Amino acid sequence: QSALTQPRSVSGSPGQSVTISCTGTSSDVGGYNYVSWYQQHPGKAPKLMIYDVSKRPSGVPDRFSGSKSGNTASLTISGLQAEDEADYYCCSYAGSYTFAHVVFGGGTKLTVL
Amino acid sequence: EVQLVESGGGLVQPGGSLRLSCAASGFTFSSYWMSWVRQAPGKGLEWVANIKQDGSEKYYVDSVKGRFTISRDNAKNSLYLQMNSLRAEDTAVYYCARDLLQFDYWGQGTLVTVSS
Repeated sequence: QSALTQPRSVSGSPGQSVTISCTGTSSDVGGYNYVSWYQQHPGKAPKLMIYDVSKRPSGVPDRFSGSKSGNTASLTISGLQAEDEADYYCCSYAGSYTFAHVVFGGGTKLTVL
Repeated sequence: EVQLVESGGGLVQPGGSLRLSCAASGFTFSSYWMSWVRQAPGKGLEWVANIKQDGSEKYYVDSVKGRFTISRDNAKNSLYLQMNSLRAEDTAVYYCARDLLQFDYWGQGTLVTVSS
């Protein structure tokens, strides 16, 4: 069982938008603005897509956006493209006195139909 | 260009030890926290440990406390993970990552398999 809860899978057709949720607690997602999202293709290392809840690293398309409300963070991918098909993980700082300094969600498999 | 290259993985028996290394280049290694993150086969990501720039603070996930030790050598631009008393559930790809409370650069990973 992961510390943060994500749907196991989502899907969408090319050009559509999808949103992946990430639910934590007031001790992680709700308590800090250090929520990040990672994209992972099979056999590859994770890639940072969103940091500080809603900021995009250089080179990440603006089709990717992040937000947070209370204890739930969300990643929205608009204008779906075939290359977006991958696993997506959310992540949050959890403070210095919890069972883990940083916690991840269990991952969401995005299928582009 | 930032590069992180892990090494040291392999097959080890339960109860055994292994030391992972991560060679960093392309950035001022001594200015950043660094982390180890692992991924069991077919499973999700799990943060394992991190270390402050000067090594004065270290944090671990509960499941490895007392068994794993993270360390660094800023003169060699290298990060390490000493893993003792290994268990089958420690089998995973281990990634090193630059840590800004979020992980902006990752290595390619090194596979650790704990099995008899």
